[in-house]
Amino acid sequence: DAGVTQSPTHLIKTRGQQVTLRCSPKSGHDTVSWYQQALGQGPQFIFQYYEEEERQRGNFPDRFSGHQFPNYSSELNVNALLLGDSALYLCASSEGQGVNGYTFGSGTRLTVV
Amino acid sequence: EDQVTQSPEALRLQEGESSSLNCSYTVSGLRGLFWYRQDPGKGPEFLFTLYSAGEEKEKERLKATLTKKESFLHITAPKPEDSATYLCAVIHNTDKLIFGTGTRLQVFP
Repeated sequence: DAGVTQSPTHLIKTRGQQVTLRCSPKSGHDTVSWYQQALGQGPQFIFQYYEEEERQRGNFPDRFSGHQFPNYSSELNVNALLLGDSALYLCASSEGQGVNGYTFGSGTRLTVV
Repeated sequence: EDQVTQSPEALRLQEGESSSLNCSYTVSGLRGLFWYRQDPGKGPEFLFTLYSAGEEKEKERLKATLTKKESFLHITAPKPEDSATYLCAVIHNTDKLIFGTGTRLQVFP
């Protein structure tokens, strides 16, 4: 049974560019959440998607946007990249509200130069 | 403000030297506390979920416990392969996970 799949694994972008990260949730999971993890820090919640809608959002600017597709997969888009956006971006999926736990992907390492 | 604090930030143990990691939290309406293991450059790997004070769960050399204000992850007779960052996270009246900054554990042979 495949877990959470993220692509690409690594990405280098130039300041000001735009980037799209992709996530396929674990089979049977319908909720996708995105987290940003800076080096040496715990993951920070960006937003969560359920039934193709953004259900809640963390303290991130509007440059961060997302989408969920009918097959529950999801994309994270970041516009006007800043050096400070360099981080490991993690996708986590869950069944419903996640009280029973979230399964994380291996992440996308984004480097902005 | 909802907060999760982990201590110590880093821990160096000799193989076989047991110890405990702490996770203290201040959230309203706790619905669950999670422990994850994270290897460098990888995503967090689920270890345990605890739902109520007094609950305990075990897996191999790891045992997690929960009180009303904190959780402990006890590591008994650790091995070098237990070296990783251990993350604690809580979920409350929203569905998002609030993480601590983690404890970096190094176990030397």
